[in-house]
Amino acid sequence: DTAVSQTPKYLVTQMGNDKSIKCEQNLGHDTMYWYKQDSKKFLKIMFSYNNKELIINETVPNRFSPKSPDKAHLNLHINSLELGDSAVYFCASSQSLAGAARSEQYFGPGTRLTVT
Amino acid sequence: AQSVTQPDIHITVSEGASLELRCNYSYGATPYLFWYVQSPGQGLQLLLKYFSGDTLVQGIKGFEAEFKRSQSSFNLRKPSVHWSDAAEYFCAVSPSGRRALTFGSGTRLQVQP
Repeated sequence: DTAVSQTPKYLVTQMGNDKSIKCEQNLGHDTMYWYKQDSKKFLKIMFSYNNKELIINETVPNRFSPKSPDKAHLNLHINSLELGDSAVYFCASSQSLAGAARSEQYFGPGTRLTVT
Repeated sequence: AQSVTQPDIHITVSEGASLELRCNYSYGATPYLFWYVQSPGQGLQLLLKYFSGDTLVQGIKGFEAEFKRSQSSFNLRKPSVHWSDAAEYFCAVSPSGRRALTFGSGTRLQVQP
């Protein structure tokens, strides 16, 4: 009964390949996020969806494309992978309340992507 | 733009000793403040949060944090550290009206026996 799950947990691939990471939450939340954690442990928001609508799109290369088929799922597709894409990618979810910023975020276990 | 500073990259404490992890934020108004913990190879777990009201908030695992508006700080404390507390700790802010979190660079806590 994991709240936020991600697959795969580890992903090793070569430069130039295309890969996807999947995220699912069973908390009934309406907002989902992708964060990237680099080798120095720095966490940065990439995307956010609210009710399947993209609401945050930070300065991320066009090679990254999120897709939200429904409120419970948010996938991340990466084209033409580069060495610099190696990182841990975290999915998170939250519920919008009266004040949008008040809801806490629940994180998945992360997907460690290694590009060789 | 808002920012979060965790001035201590690495802290080592003895088991049973008290702990304080520092967090300072830069933002025009009072943001929503959070502390998360990340154990090795794991995701992030929320320790506690501050939205408004009482400036001393209690969290899980015996942690507490105090919001000080005058110092733009939200320091995390624990009176007696356990070996299982060894982890990476992240302070984060979420400005009103925007849902994403801005994280500090993290503080790695080591606990000596």
